[in-house]
Amino acid sequence: KAGVTQTPRYLIKTRGQQVTLSCSPISGHRSVSWYQQTPGQGLQFLFEYFSETQRNKGNFPGRFSGRQFSNSRSEMNVSTLELGDSALYLCASSLESANTGELFFGEGSRLTVL
Amino acid sequence: DAKTTQPPSMDCAEGRAANLPCNHSTISGNEYVYWYRQIHSQGPQYIIHGLKNNETNEMASLIITEDRKSSTLILPHATLRDTAVYYCIVLRKTSYDKVIFGPGTSLSVIP
Repeated sequence: KAGVTQTPRYLIKTRGQQVTLSCSPISGHRSVSWYQQTPGQGLQFLFEYFSETQRNKGNFPGRFSGRQFSNSRSEMNVSTLELGDSALYLCASSLESANTGELFFGEGSRLTVL
Repeated sequence: DAKTTQPPSMDCAEGRAANLPCNHSTISGNEYVYWYRQIHSQGPQYIIHGLKNNETNEMASLIITEDRKSSTLILPHATLRDTAVYYCIVLRKTSYDKVIFGPGTSLSVIP
């Protein structure tokens, strides 16, 4: 069974640009969560989607947004990029809610903002 | 959600048991203890979880104290590949709370 797939794996953007990251969950999983990881802040929760609805949201500005499609694939978008948005963005899927079972993480998308 | 406290770092000799402690003194009766680990540059990996009984799987054992205020993750024979950051998380299995990771414990397995 294929794992969680995140694309692209690496990308470089400049300040002010926007970026879209994609996450394909494990087949049958309906919950997708997004995390930002930086050396200084660790793993920080961005948001969780379940059945195309955002169910939980972390403390990030409105520049960070996401959505989930009917096939459970999810995308997250960051607009007006800042240097501090440079991070590893991780997606995790689970069968139901994010905490009724274990989370399965992808390898992440490493974003560098210049 | 109850908070957890873990030592920031630990060392363990290769082949010995690695015992990683976690304090969760404010845990509620319906909250589970979950453990994940993150090997450098990879996504976190689920290890094990439990409510009040000790649990064991092919990766590790989880020992939860009788008062449930602390737990220990045991890697019985640590290898160099077990070098990672280990996260202890407490959450209610039936709620839809967000899963929050703390700073974890950075385990170094030394040859």
